[in-house]
Amino acid sequence: GQNIDQPTEMTATEGAIVQINCTYQTSGFNGLFWYQQHAGEAPTFLSYNVLDGLEEKGRFSSFLSRSKGYSYLLLKELQMKDSASYLCAVTDSNYQLIWGAGTKLIIKP
Amino acid sequence: GAVVSQHPSWVICKSGTSVKIECRSLDFQATTMFWYRQFPKQSLMLMATSNEGSKATYEQGVEKDKFLINHASLTLSTLTVTSAHPEDSSFYICSAILAGQDLQIQYFGAGTRLSVL
Repeated sequence: GQNIDQPTEMTATEGAIVQINCTYQTSGFNGLFWYQQHAGEAPTFLSYNVLDGLEEKGRFSSFLSRSKGYSYLLLKELQMKDSASYLCAVTDSNYQLIWGAGTKLIIKP
Repeated sequence: GAVVSQHPSWVICKSGTSVKIECRSLDFQATTMFWYRQFPKQSLMLMATSNEGSKATYEQGVEKDKFLINHASLTLSTLTVTSAHPEDSSFYICSAILAGQDLQIQYFGAGTRLSVL
């Protein structure tokens, strides 16, 4: 079956750095997405990786290793508004998007 | 980024009534739209994939006669929850992919919170 694993919840301090990991086992791979979802709101697109390596976008970076079936989202200089759920999603060989359960990130002052 | 408008944002209805939710791509054409359902503290659950001009593809376990999807144009898809019951109360979210885009980024509407009494 297809499976995406990410931690259920993480806690970090304002101003610090946090890394949210995602591992996947899917039938084929056509890209990995990270989305941010604030409570009660719809997800918003953060990043996309299809090749190995690090993609940097401001305070957020996303890394991919296809051979390891692994990705992480790195958030720097954490702000209180970064408190949200972060969803990892993988596009399989049929271009179907498989969603992880999300990681709830709690930022403390 | 692309804007997807979803309406209404909140609806309360009596059991047995039908509710229609609209999803519009405002500044782009969307050949494919998706409908999700999300229960509290759970991940997104894909209900169906909607392609303009053709029948929607429903995920296993989703009743197509209960959740009617119409994708009549490249900018509009509707989800009708027929004969809604309290167990249908949930957060319904639509998303759309830009037509002709290689990168399959899904742009989400703001969601519709349905409460069935």
